[in-house]
Amino acid sequence: DVKVTQSSRYLVKRTGEKVFLECVQDMDHENMFWYRQDPGLGLRLIYFSYDVKMKEKGDIPEGYSVSREKKERFSLILESASTNQTSMYLCASSSGQILSGANVLTFGAGSRLTVL
Amino acid sequence: AQRVTQPEKLLSVFKGAPVELKCNYSYSGSPELFWYVQYSRQRLQLLLRHISRESIKGFTADLNKGETSFHLKKPFAQEEDSAMYYCALAGINDYKLSFGAGTTVTVRA
Repeated sequence: DVKVTQSSRYLVKRTGEKVFLECVQDMDHENMFWYRQDPGLGLRLIYFSYDVKMKEKGDIPEGYSVSREKKERFSLILESASTNQTSMYLCASSSGQILSGANVLTFGAGSRLTVL
Repeated sequence: AQRVTQPEKLLSVFKGAPVELKCNYSYSGSPELFWYVQYSRQRLQLLLRHISRESIKGFTADLNKGETSFHLKKPFAQEEDSAMYYCALAGINDYKLSFGAGTTVTVRA
């Protein structure tokens, strides 16, 4: 019954390493999102995509990039990991030809990244 | 700019007592408001949205445009209501869903 799958639940990386976080959804959703979740800050949008090969910056894109080569897959890339990127990363998807914040999000289980 | 404020980081109530989670927002137009919930070791999921005007798991939330609030209420808290709750706002014709900082609710027996 899993609909949004994040490949890694826990990762530990070193400063400067390149990190890939993978997300796959099986609901044929057009829209996919990457958020980071931090205590006291809530969820902050990093990047989103409304179509294959399309991407848009969210509120905190610095230090991150994304890739969406196939509709079902949305990858978050940390080119050079830093300690301030230690966080829980949540992938989400939503349906709808019109990209709207009102579309209900389906979330993955999260990937907890620790950068040493 | 749109903003969602949840003033309480932690909320502790006894089982059977009423619980109210506060949410205030700032937005220049007519927003859509949501409550998302994350139970322990589960995924974040939608609890309710104001346009549905429904009660989910005994929770209700009323949009008060005059006070720019969307407080979540339940008359009799249960232990299974212990979770992290996020209030969220979507602007009209806007891709973005903005989340508050979240409130952790603990219901004690």
